[in-house]
Amino acid sequence: DVKVTQSSRYLVKRTGEKVFLECVQDMDHENMFWYRQDPGLGLRLIYFSYDVKMKEKGDIPEGYSVSREKKERFSLILESASTNQTSMYLCASSTRDTRDYSNQPQHFGDGTRLSIL
Amino acid sequence: AQTVTQSQPEMSVQEAETVTLSCTYDTSESDYYLFWYKQPPSRQMILVIRQEAYKQQNATENRFSVNFQKAAKSFSLKISDSQLGDAAMYFCAHTYNNNDMRFGAGTRLTVKP
Repeated sequence: DVKVTQSSRYLVKRTGEKVFLECVQDMDHENMFWYRQDPGLGLRLIYFSYDVKMKEKGDIPEGYSVSREKKERFSLILESASTNQTSMYLCASSTRDTRDYSNQPQHFGDGTRLSIL
Repeated sequence: AQTVTQSQPEMSVQEAETVTLSCTYDTSESDYYLFWYKQPPSRQMILVIRQEAYKQQNATENRFSVNFQKAAKSFSLKISDSQLGDAAMYFCAHTYNNNDMRFGAGTRLTVKP
């Protein structure tokens, strides 16, 4: 089974702090994703990466950055945390089919519930 | 832009009964994928079922099946013989490449014993 591990289930930080959320997958997946989940809004894509050192903006990248130095690890960075970034953050990964290079369904971690005070 | 609408914020079903969760989507693509994900209280998103738009046959996974109406852009999930472990948030999602995925707001399903 695919294992996507997020470093913290719960995290409390203060306004203005630089916050790092870490995600590691153990299946050598090419693609990795960061979402935030808010009640009534579902999941919204922040950033994704389809290869080491590559990144693409999702729907809501403002206030966030990402880092992918190694294939298995994808970090989400809140440069200067604000209260409106209090949310659940979900990491996901997926692979590409070697036959037709189509991207396969995403596998998710358990989420990090982040509170910014 | 792709959008996904789940019009039922909450649903409930009696154990062993059948329930249908609704989902509609909007897309200009002709080929795409649709998913239902389940998120139990443990929070991990679990893939329930997947449908490829070019396949006319509705996908089925054990007690879970979909009613895919491409012309109507509708993708409902039917859960048969509901079990207590089916209680969760259910999210409908749409993508044309499995990267740029759009999720609905979710439907919270309660299963009554």
